[in-house]
Amino acid sequence: GENVEQHPSTLSVQEGDSAVIKCTYSDSASNYFPWYKQELGKGPQLIIDIRSNVGEKKDQRIAVTLNKTAKHFSLHITETQPEDSAVYFCAASITQAGTALIFGKGTTLSVSS
Amino acid sequence: GAVVSQHPSWVICKSGTSVKIECRSLDFQATTMFWYRQFPKQSLMLMATSNEGSKATYEQGVEKDKFLINHASLTLSTLTVTSAHPEDSSFYICSAVRLAAPSDEQFFGPGTRLTVL
Repeated sequence: GENVEQHPSTLSVQEGDSAVIKCTYSDSASNYFPWYKQELGKGPQLIIDIRSNVGEKKDQRIAVTLNKTAKHFSLHITETQPEDSAVYFCAASITQAGTALIFGKGTTLSVSS
Repeated sequence: GAVVSQHPSWVICKSGTSVKIECRSLDFQATTMFWYRQFPKQSLMLMATSNEGSKATYEQGVEKDKFLINHASLTLSTLTVTSAHPEDSSFYICSAVRLAAPSDEQFFGPGTRLTVL
């Protein structure tokens, strides 16, 4: 089955700096890669996702890149703000009804002002 | 749109009792719902896949007789933790796949914190 590795486990940056979180996956059949932000005591919220037919997607300060050959994808946050502090999870799945997401272990991002 | 609710948001119970957690898709119909468990500072671990009108599919290592799942309608799935013990204390999160939407688009509930004394 699918296995998703996520690095780093913790990341501390200064406000305004960029943050990059990287994930690798094992199943070449996976074709959907979402990123979730989870704040303490809350459920995960989708912040951006990418499908295998594109290599990059951007939404304001957030971008995701995908390298299918190498089976890795990354989350890029620019101009970080204290409110970006949270746990970020990457996930992978195969586009198919009833297919669950397989999550990475999470990255705790701390943005200090 | 695409809001998923969970009830209760938190529950404390005595060891040996059963607890029911509800997951509702408020503004859409969900063909499939997933149940995850998350221990402190850990990732979400899939427990089971719940399809409306059929039996749930459990992940390896998850006891189906202990974690009863019922997906009675296209907007409601319930997870019942039977004879709960302290080791069942965790954060339980559901997600729902919206009918007629891209099949991989999942919406998560806010989670239910279960504490078993």
